[in-house]
Amino acid sequence: GAGVSQSPSNKVTEKGKDVELRCDPISGHTALYWYRQRLGQGLEFLIYFQGNSAPDKSGLPSDRFSAERTGESVSTLTIQRTQQEDSAVYLCASSLGLNNEQFFGPGTRLTVL
Amino acid sequence: AQSVAQPEDQVNVAEGNPLTVKCTYSVSGNPYLFWYVQYPNRGLQFLLKYITGDNLVKGSYGFEAEFNKSQTSFHLKKPSALVSDSALYFCAVRDRAAGNKLTFGGGTRVLVKP
Repeated sequence: GAGVSQSPSNKVTEKGKDVELRCDPISGHTALYWYRQRLGQGLEFLIYFQGNSAPDKSGLPSDRFSAERTGESVSTLTIQRTQQEDSAVYLCASSLGLNNEQFFGPGTRLTVL
Repeated sequence: AQSVAQPEDQVNVAEGNPLTVKCTYSVSGNPYLFWYVQYPNRGLQFLLKYITGDNLVKGSYGFEAEFNKSQTSFHLKKPSALVSDSALYFCAVRDRAAGNKLTFGGGTRVLVKP
């Protein structure tokens, strides 16, 4: 079946603008994760959704970052008033559950000018 | 708090030689451990995981990893490296007692030379 998809693949924006990144998880996966990967660095956890439970937002770096998920499907990550330090690849992953491996999307490369 | 350390930024190995990528972790409870690989211009791919049971875990593409509780390590190994194994490798851990967050190491770049 189809893997995790993300859109757009690339986004260039101006400092101060809002951006919205989209993730379509694998059908049937109850868990969905967002990560940030800065150039040459590891993955930084942002937020996690599991079914109808309250999301784990402990990784969001500031109140400019927010995310939503509709049921067990699409998720959007919104960054308001973007800053240059927000430039990174934003990765989405989904899994069947907590103990299962995560399947990653190709990422959205965000560049803030 | 949980953490993962990959002490080597880069590992160079000749094709056909054994490959080892080191990973140590710190958790307060029992760990779930994972290895992922990131090929150039491609997304992360799952290689293998340790949840419970045998300490030696076999995964994709001929890779294996050994869970060592006393040394808090989960080193990734391949007996005979291929040029196509050149990629960025990430170790990750989740503390069973500390929520659902998966913490990744900083990554180790593997370069296999022909």
